[in-house]
Amino acid sequence: GQNIDQPTEMTATEGAIVQINCTYQTSGFNGLFWYQQHAGEAPTFLSYNVLDGLEEKGRFSSFLSRSKGYSYLLLKELQMKDSASYLCAVSPGAGSYQLTFGKGTKLSVIP
Amino acid sequence: DAGITQSPRHKVTETGTPVTLRCHQTENHRYMYWYRQDPGHGLRLIHYSYGVKDTDKGEVSDGYSVSRSKTEDFLLTLESATSSQTSVYFCAISDLLAGGPETQYFGPGTRLLVL
Repeated sequence: GQNIDQPTEMTATEGAIVQINCTYQTSGFNGLFWYQQHAGEAPTFLSYNVLDGLEEKGRFSSFLSRSKGYSYLLLKELQMKDSASYLCAVSPGAGSYQLTFGKGTKLSVIP
Repeated sequence: DAGITQSPRHKVTETGTPVTLRCHQTENHRYMYWYRQDPGHGLRLIHYSYGVKDTDKGEVSDGYSVSRSKTEDFLLTLESATSSQTSVYFCAISDLLAGGPETQYFGPGTRLLVL
């Protein structure tokens, strides 16, 4: 079976740093993805991790620990436009291009 | 931009009527997917396709059928719409990340209301 957990909602202040956690239990693992979704829009790809460690991409970084079934998305220097839902998704296995998504974390950035 | 369009973008229909949603892509991607997104449930896979006339079921396929007669079009049909199928429907394609795996890119979505 597949189970992906992330907090439902978070609030953070403009200019601050926020960490969004994701834990997963899946029957296989071939990578973890983070997507951003603004209200009323489609999800857009943010980052991908398949090896343990931190991947940095500008203000956004994503971390993975395969042994712990754990990932986080780190957003630095928060801006109002970062208010969105952040979706964690797992690719279950080699040769499968399907993704299993968590329910998403709605981040509100306040002044 | 992965060249994905969906039509219609909004639709209101009545219970019991058939509904077909269209996903069109312009870049010859082999894999295409249909998801629905509902509050409290996140994105759930309905059906996917791995080539012309090659399709398979996802997590929530009951009440839905799909067809793919050409590479660029993937159709989702609700044979007899029910109020529980009120949702936002997203189409997606898989594309290869540079140095990484295939990842999915989404169309703009279709908001469907079944009365």
